[in-house]
Amino acid sequence: QSALTQPASVSGSPGQSITISCTGTSSDVGTYNLVSWYQQHPGKAPKLMVYEVSKRPSGVSNRFSGSKSGSTASLTISGLQAEDEADYYCYSYAGSSTWVFGGGTKLAVL
Amino acid sequence: QLQLQESGPGLVKPSETLSLTCTVSGGSISSSTYYWGWIRQPPGTGLEWIGNIYFSGSTYYNPSLKSRVTISVDTSKNQFSLKLSSVTAADTAVYYCARRPGGSHHFDYWGQGTLVTVSS
Repeated sequence: QSALTQPASVSGSPGQSITISCTGTSSDVGTYNLVSWYQQHPGKAPKLMVYEVSKRPSGVSNRFSGSKSGSTASLTISGLQAEDEADYYCYSYAGSSTWVFGGGTKLAVL
Repeated sequence: QLQLQESGPGLVKPSETLSLTCTVSGGSISSSTYYWGWIRQPPGTGLEWIGNIYFSGSTYYNPSLKSRVTISVDTSKNQFSLKLSSVTAADTAVYYCARRPGGSHHFDYWGQGTLVTVSS
């Protein structure tokens, strides 16, 4: 069971859109539509932003959207705001009652 | 409003057992609707899933930690616990407890986390 692969960092300007990728294998992301995304600000607990690939919890801005193609899931943030600057982690079911996180991506809003 | 709070020693000696408790308030840990989990984050690095437990006691562990991890539940105290044996400096991390809705594969509520340092 290896960590899902995310870019170490991404950046964008306010108002722009960015996409964070999360690449797994046919054993996890490629087989199950059970990917979730978490936002984590420094010193804070992670916050659920997207679950089951593309569903948003109540209260999460519709600027956050998720998708999946093959073994790669993606989180897109549109209309970037300064408050979106944070670390983002993907998380997927990996079969046999195990789960795996991605390595995390640091988003900088320039 | 559901709240989860981790508690336990902030310093553990190498080779000893790390023990943490998560107290759930604002909801019942015995609800058949939810699972409860532990996640950790070494300083400056990413999240790692440790394991989950159902109120009935069914457990699910990360294969890489399975030989050292025990998660248990105490429904009378509305708590669940983590024990990690034979710790080393690599187990130094912020440990989070969290809730996973049954039938789902994500965590919707998290505790604030507690830092555990392994050092002599």
